[in-house]
Amino acid sequence: DAGVIQSPRHEVTEMGQEVTLRCKPISGHDYLFWYRQTMMRGLELLIYFNNNVPIDDSGMPEDRFSAKMPNASFSTLKIQPSEPRDSAVYFCASSLRSGMNTEAFFGQGTRLTVV
Amino acid sequence: AQSVTQLDSHVSVSEGTPVLLRCNYSSSYSPSLFWYVQHPNKGLQLLLKYTSAATLVKGINGFEAEFKKSETSFHLTKPSAHMSDAAEYFCVVREYNFNKFYFGSGTKLNVKP
Repeated sequence: DAGVIQSPRHEVTEMGQEVTLRCKPISGHDYLFWYRQTMMRGLELLIYFNNNVPIDDSGMPEDRFSAKMPNASFSTLKIQPSEPRDSAVYFCASSLRSGMNTEAFFGQGTRLTVV
Repeated sequence: AQSVTQLDSHVSVSEGTPVLLRCNYSSSYSPSLFWYVQHPNKGLQLLLKYTSAATLVKGINGFEAEFKKSETSFHLTKPSAHMSDAAEYFCVVREYNFNKFYFGSGTKLNVKP
């Protein structure tokens, strides 16, 4: 397997524009996580899915953020409208359910810059 | 409730000397514990994991960690630091049947020549 694949790797957009980040988890994994990493706040869990269903979105900053998982092999994180404070690295991770050998596998991240 | 505390935000060692990165956790149930490494501008890579099979866990690049239930600790060690070890390290806990991963705040390791 190629691992968790995120696209784009880098995104620069103007304030007010819509941004869509994409993630393809590892085949067979039933959990998918979206994280945001900034210098000020470190690594924050935004939302996670189990079998395509959102389980906990308490980390989503505000209504401008939304995430979907239409099928087991694809998820999106959308920001509309984007603001400069959304600039961060966004990571997607996938895993099997909790138990033996159940680490999270991370993508390479999307570096978002909102100007 | 689950939580992870990394006791040092920055650690600086000389090349060839031992490394100790400290991690304490709180967990109501049997946890799985992990250490991840993040090199600058890179993603997170698994170093090692504890999943109740053995208390001393060996990972990649010569790193080890020991699970001590009585101390609720999972410290990361390496006998001899290499320049390439300079990175940020995260201690992570996941409880059995609870599926979120709880991350520590990270420890930045600096290795001096």
